[in-house]
Order: sequence, then C-alpha cells, then structure tokens
Amino acid sequence: EVQLLESGGGLVQPGGSLRLSCAGSGFTFSNYIMRWVRQAPGKGLEWVSSFGDRSYKTYYADSVKGRFTISRDDSKSTLSLQMNSLRAEDTAVYYCVKGTSATNGFDVWGQGTVVTVSS
Amino acid sequence: QTVVTQEPSLSVSPGETVTLTCGLNSGSVSPEHYPNWFQQRPGQAPRTLIYSTNSRSSGVPDRFSGSILVNKAALTITGAQADDECHYYCILYLGSGIWVFGEGTKLTVL
Repeated sequence: EVQLLESGGGLVQPGGSLRLSCAGSGFTFSNYIMRWVRQAPGKGLEWVSSFGDRSYKTYYADSVKGRFTISRDDSKSTLSLQMNSLRAEDTAVYYCVKGTSATNGFDVWGQGTVVTVSS
Repeated sequence: QTVVTQEPSLSVSPGETVTLTCGLNSGSVSPEHYPNWFQQRPGQAPRTLIYSTNSRSSGVPDRFSGSILVNKAALTITGAQADDECHYYCILYLGSGIWVFGEGTKLTVL
C-alpha cells in the first residue's frame, strides 16, 4: 500500500524557518514526481512546489519562490521542503502528493502537517 | 494572471447526475492542461478522483468520470449519493512545471 507521512510542522515566528519532510513507502520513490500542496485555514488548495523524477527539475509557485526549497533523497524515499522567511500567509496544512506514472497527474496524498506562522 | 474557474456551489438530488466544470479565464481547457479532480471531505486530506482529463484514480467508483466539455474540463458524478456531499477541486497544468488550482465547488446532495 502506498503511504506518505509528513512531519516537521509546528509553530514558528514570522521570519523564521521550518523544514518539512515526507516519508514515502509502498512504491519505488525515485520513479515518481513528488509535490507539495498547501491549504490555509478555511481556504482552498494551493500548489506549492514539485520535484521531478529522474530529471531532478524543481518548480515553485510565485508565492514561495526564493523562500522555499524542495529536495528529495531517493535513497531514503524522502521528500523535503525547506521554508525560510516565513510569513503569516504561509500558515496552512502542507500535503505531500505522489505523482502518477507515465502521465502528468496527482496520485496519493499524505495526511498533511500543520504549519502556523505567528508571533 | 491566470485564473482557474469553478462553480462555487452546486446541488444535486440523490440518484441524479451532476457535472462540475473547470475553466480558464485566459481561454479553453485542453488535454494538454492535464486536468485533475480531487474530492475533499471535511477534516480530511484531499483524494484524487481523476487525473489527465479522464483517468480514474485507483479505487474510485466508475460513477465519477472526467472529460472536456465545451472548452472546460468536466467532472460528472452519475447517481449522486449523500456521501458525495463535500468539496471538489480541479487543477490545471499551465506549462513550465506550474499548476493552478480552482477555488473549489461545494456540492450539496439534497
């Protein structure tokens, strides 16, 4: 069974940093694009970032570009999101999402980790 | 700025069919936008229903189907059930690795 388990969320002050992790299991991690999606309290979904499979290309939403860095360690089946210069508007549940095989899609979602940016 | 449009709310009677749409303020939706559809129940993580326009995700009942209809991506729910009452989101690929979600549709089954 494919599973994704996010961790690393918490309370951080504006301007601070936080590192999220996503541990994948039940599939060959290196074969799939992996993504982060977030959801602010009471709001809709927002795509944050993607990391390609063997291409190792990274992509970011304009709202996080220059502040967030996505990375992956295929040997540990782990996806990470380093978040710097955090703002109140970054407060959200952050979900890790596995891509589909052979086409450009979203597949399995993790349960999410909560990030709160507040003084 | 590219905006992905969805109906803010829709209602359907149990057993009836409803179609949710996903459009672009800048033009037509095509298969090259790889439309995906997601279901989110209150307090839960989203679940993928459809990817790449019309491919059903594993375990999704066949009463959920995806298509392109009149220049928009569409999610059709055939034989709506009470359990289908929740939020539905679409996402479109804009190229260069960039994806944009719609603001979601709240579906009421009554």
